[in-house]
Amino acid sequence: GAVVSQHPSWVICKSGTSVKIECRSLDFQATTMFWYRQFPKQSLMLMATSNEGSKATYEQGVEKDKFLINHASLTLSTLTVTSAHPEDSSFYICSARVGQRPFGAFFGQGTRLTVV
Amino acid sequence: EDQVTQSPEALRLQEGESSSLNCSYTVSGLRGLFWYRQDPGKGPEFLFTLYSAGEEKEKERLKATLTKKESFLHITAPKPEDSATYLCAVQATTGNTPLVFGKGTRLSVIA
Repeated sequence: GAVVSQHPSWVICKSGTSVKIECRSLDFQATTMFWYRQFPKQSLMLMATSNEGSKATYEQGVEKDKFLINHASLTLSTLTVTSAHPEDSSFYICSARVGQRPFGAFFGQGTRLTVV
Repeated sequence: EDQVTQSPEALRLQEGESSSLNCSYTVSGLRGLFWYRQDPGKGPEFLFTLYSAGEEKEKERLKATLTKKESFLHITAPKPEDSATYLCAVQATTGNTPLVFGKGTRLSVIA
């Protein structure tokens, strides 16, 4: 299957600082990438859809000024958590869509963010 | 609104004890139904995509089936290494829509 690499796998930061998470498609071009957030024992909550070369589409309730998404190339999307607070601590996962069929979305390894 | 409901929420099996996980869905036109495995602290690992009712796919001890309203993930003679959370997701036919996930089934296989 297609490989999606997410970095870093974990990060600890201080309140008020910003953190950038990278999502790369290693062996394919991803015109669309998705960013999810997952709380313990909960399913994935879609935060935003990222299309290469255009502005991201955010889900209702997700602050676009706090969670900055950039999809500058067909293989890289970044999520920047700005002015992080402890309530932003979570598991963030990206995924990239491969073509039309099998429509499979492949996921990165996830990033555990802890804000102290 | 597209919805996915998985049951049971948690399942504990003895090694070798076969069982099935359920995924019920409502979607405005199904483009595909997906099964993923997720280990703690990891991203979901793709298992299967099903496109139409009656379709079946197999991989080792896992077999996924699809009807017009639900999908089953059958686990035959599970082993402890099959312990994980299994996620079901659907994609609607309208546009470039993201996947809608269920809450998952946490499977524990005891030796």
